[in-house]
Amino acid sequence: NAGVTQTPKFQVLKTGQSMTLQCAQDMNHEYMSWYRQDPGMGLRLIHYSVGAGITDQGEVPNGYNVSRSTTEDFPLRLLSAAPSQTSVYFCASSYSGRGKNEQFFGPGTRLTVL
Amino acid sequence: DAKTTQPPSMDCAEGRAANLPCNHSTISGNEYVYWYRQIHSQGPQYIIHGLKNNETNEMASLIITEDRKSSTLILPHATLRDTAVYYCIVNDRASGTYKYIFGTGTRLKVLA
Repeated sequence: NAGVTQTPKFQVLKTGQSMTLQCAQDMNHEYMSWYRQDPGMGLRLIHYSVGAGITDQGEVPNGYNVSRSTTEDFPLRLLSAAPSQTSVYFCASSYSGRGKNEQFFGPGTRLTVL
Repeated sequence: DAKTTQPPSMDCAEGRAANLPCNHSTISGNEYVYWYRQIHSQGPQYIIHGLKNNETNEMASLIITEDRKSSTLILPHATLRDTAVYYCIVNDRASGTYKYIFGTGTRLKVLA
């Protein structure tokens, strides 16, 4: 059981470039989310998904797109990178049924936009 | 804005109990209190959660006041590996556990 995996671990982009941050989970979780964490701050929700084909916006969605074609994968796309998007990005997943409903977080992707 | 207020930092001697407070005075009846921690820059890790009763697991204890406006996370015998940022989050499980609102947390430093 790999849990939540994220690739790449590190990425440097130039302003205006696009890229996709990958997130995958092997726990058959319905819920998946993307957060960003700026230095010295807590995590802020970007987008989330409650199941394949269903996504919605979080607190800070501007500049990011998501899609959820499978239960396992939830990629985050930066359409035109800006320096303000320099941050650490965390993907998380959780089970929707009864129980602990804890979120499992990936190791993060550290993105620098020059 | 985060629904919780936590002190920015605390120190604790190794082997002693670490008591981390959290204020959530606007908590509603169906909101749970969750605690997570983040070691270095890793992804946050779940610790414990509760609704109104005190809870204990292998990692920690959670004490929630009777009016539910505040809670305390207790690490009974802190070790150096417990040095981390601890986040207290309130969340309505009916609206989904995928929409956490994080504050800035408490940076706990365990001293040798």
